[in-house]
Amino acid sequence: DAKTTQPNSMESNEEEPVHLPCNHSTISGTDYIHWYRQLPSQGPEYVIHGLTSNVNNRMASLAIAEDRKSSTLILHRATLRDAAVYYCILRDWTNAGKSTFGDGTTLTVKP
Amino acid sequence: DSGVTQTPKHLITATGQRVTLRCSPRSGDLSVYWYQQSLDQGLQFLIQYYNGEERAKGNILERFSAQQFPDLHSELNLSSLELGDSALYFCASSVATEGRETQYFGPGTRLLVL
Repeated sequence: DAKTTQPNSMESNEEEPVHLPCNHSTISGTDYIHWYRQLPSQGPEYVIHGLTSNVNNRMASLAIAEDRKSSTLILHRATLRDAAVYYCILRDWTNAGKSTFGDGTTLTVKP
Repeated sequence: DSGVTQTPKHLITATGQRVTLRCSPRSGDLSVYWYQQSLDQGLQFLIQYYNGEERAKGNILERFSAQQFPDLHSELNLSSLELGDSALYFCASSVATEGRETQYFGPGTRLLVL
């Protein structure tokens, strides 16, 4: 299974944009890039996903490098409620089952 | 609220015992996934079922087993429990199995083995 690499932790100030990077140099052509986040004492929550093109939704934006070997999750205006562990995961086109959650990035948002 | 329910929320048991964790997927979702999250291992994929059939297997111990029933709920059975099995167990569901599918996670079952 293709692996992802993320920084262990990042800090942001409230109301500022946050760019969370993810490296996935062994990504295959059939892998989707997913981002989930986990708030304290809760199950992971879907944030966004993409294949090749950049994606936007109400929660965030996903910027995917042209070679697909890295991606960046963008939170446009961080709030205190965005403090969580953010996971970047690769999911095969044919079966999402054996996707691997890495250690994720712990995002701290300072007021 | 993701629509995925898990019972019980908390479970305390002793070493050597057997427990069953239950998961009800979101309405309409055919695929169920089980994950284990412990402090030193992160979120580990255990097993996936799709419409009653096992679809993918991860790092699931032989002492653990799972099944998905005709009504699509799933159970994870943990036997001969050890202290190291203490963890959060999450269930997730999705409509199908493709990589573009969103997984919806339940609130988890916290298992403590004493």
